[in-house]
Amino acid sequence: SQQGEEDPQALSIQEGENATMNCSYKTSINNLQWYRQNSGRGLVHLILIRSNEREKHSGRLRVTLDTSKKSSSLLITASRAADTASYFCATDVGNQFYFGTGTSLTVIP
Amino acid sequence: NAGVTQTPKFRVLKTGQSMTLLCAQDMNHEYMYWYRQDPGMGLRLIHYSVGEGTTAKGEVPDGYNVSRLKKQNFLLGLESAAPSQTSVYFCASSVVGVEEQYFGPGTRLTVT
Repeated sequence: SQQGEEDPQALSIQEGENATMNCSYKTSINNLQWYRQNSGRGLVHLILIRSNEREKHSGRLRVTLDTSKKSSSLLITASRAADTASYFCATDVGNQFYFGTGTSLTVIP
Repeated sequence: NAGVTQTPKFRVLKTGQSMTLLCAQDMNHEYMYWYRQDPGMGLRLIHYSVGEGTTAKGEVPDGYNVSRLKKQNFLLGLESAAPSQTSVYFCASSVVGVEEQYFGPGTRLTVT
């Protein structure tokens, strides 16, 4: 069974708008990571948030983590057409990583 | 510095054939992983390695074998390919187990 689930499955917004996607997971974690995948490519690491952190920023990215609700959110501000991609959360259980099914983001120019 | 590379990029196999996928990393990472990605399923961990000479099973290990004879290489083998193994395979590596993973470009495998 998958540890992480992203919501929504697909999201379409206009350039300049903000995009928010959510991740829920099932068991206790050490950290949670977000990755981006452009069509046909490998995944690229975006940001890591540790279990004792509540919020983290990196450029236009803002990630929150609520361990009591076992959920995380990724906010991309001032979106650009180049942000069009699939976004995955990943959680670790021991040495194993569990990826969600992803959110497909389309940013319309 | 090439990062993580995978060979081959594409492959078509007939049912019952065998093949080996090669992953190489030049970042001196201890941990290496093999995932498969299927439509609507996200990435699922097949096998992983925490260091040279060690391997362990992931979430979906059946039908696959792996070897890590050298620190920089992680091989994934299919002894008798089945259509259910049609997928895109990704290799990844990381310094330690709970940190950022670096992914290769993927291998698209079709089993007919």
